[in-house]
Amino acid sequence: GAVVSQHPSWVICKSGTSVKIECRSLDFQATTMFWYRQFPKQSLMLMATSNEGSKATYEQGVEKDKFLINHASLTLSTLTVTSAHPEDSSFYICSVPKGGGITEAFFGQGTRLTVV
Amino acid sequence: KQEVTQIPAALSVPEGENLVLNCSFTDSAIYNLQWFRQDPGKGLTSLLLIQSSQREQTSGRLNASLDKSSGRSTLYIAASQPGDSATYLCAVTGANNLFFGTGTRLTVIP
Repeated sequence: GAVVSQHPSWVICKSGTSVKIECRSLDFQATTMFWYRQFPKQSLMLMATSNEGSKATYEQGVEKDKFLINHASLTLSTLTVTSAHPEDSSFYICSVPKGGGITEAFFGQGTRLTVV
Repeated sequence: KQEVTQIPAALSVPEGENLVLNCSFTDSAIYNLQWFRQDPGKGLTSLLLIQSSQREQTSGRLNASLDKSSGRSTLYIAASQPGDSATYLCAVTGANNLFFGTGTRLTVIP
C-alpha cells in the first residue's frame, strides 16, 4: 500500500486563487519532507525542504512567499501555491525520505496543477 | 552544477524486445544513482538503486549499470511487456539534492 499520500491528484484553479497540496506520511514519522515540481518536458526539480516545526528551506529561484510550506506535524506537510498564475501550472510531487537524507525516499502520487 | 541527460526522450518497441535506456551525468561526485518509473496519476516508483561503489544492480527483468568515472548509467529491460510502458527517470544524489533527468517515455507495443 501507499506509504505517502498526496492530495489532490489534480486541481484546476483560476488565476489569482490559492491552492493547497497535502503530503501525508502514512507509515512513519517524518521530520523532513521534500517538494519537487516538474514542468512539461523538464526534469523534476527540488523546490524546498520541509522541516517539522521550523521554516522550510527553499532552493534558489523558488519564491518562499509564493510557495508556502507548513510542516505542522510529523506526518503532514502542505504546500500552498498563493496567487496562482498560469506559469505555476506544473506537476508537484512530495517525497518522504526513508532515512535521514534525501536519497531512498518514498514519493507521493503527485499533483497536476492547472491554472486557468 | 550537476546535469543529468537521458537519451532517447521517447522509445517505442514491440513486445518481447530487449531495450536499453541511457542516462549521463556531468559530475561524477555522486553518492548513488537511482532509476525510477513514473506512471500518469501515480507517484514515482523506485526501481533500482546503485551506490557509488557498485557497478550494477539487478531486479527481475531489470539491470542497471553504473560507470561513475564516465558519468553513465544504463537501464536494461529484458523481454519488454506492455505493462512496462511508462516514463523512466534516472536521478543522481549529490550532497543535498537529487538531480533528475528529463526521462525516457517508453511505449511497448503489444
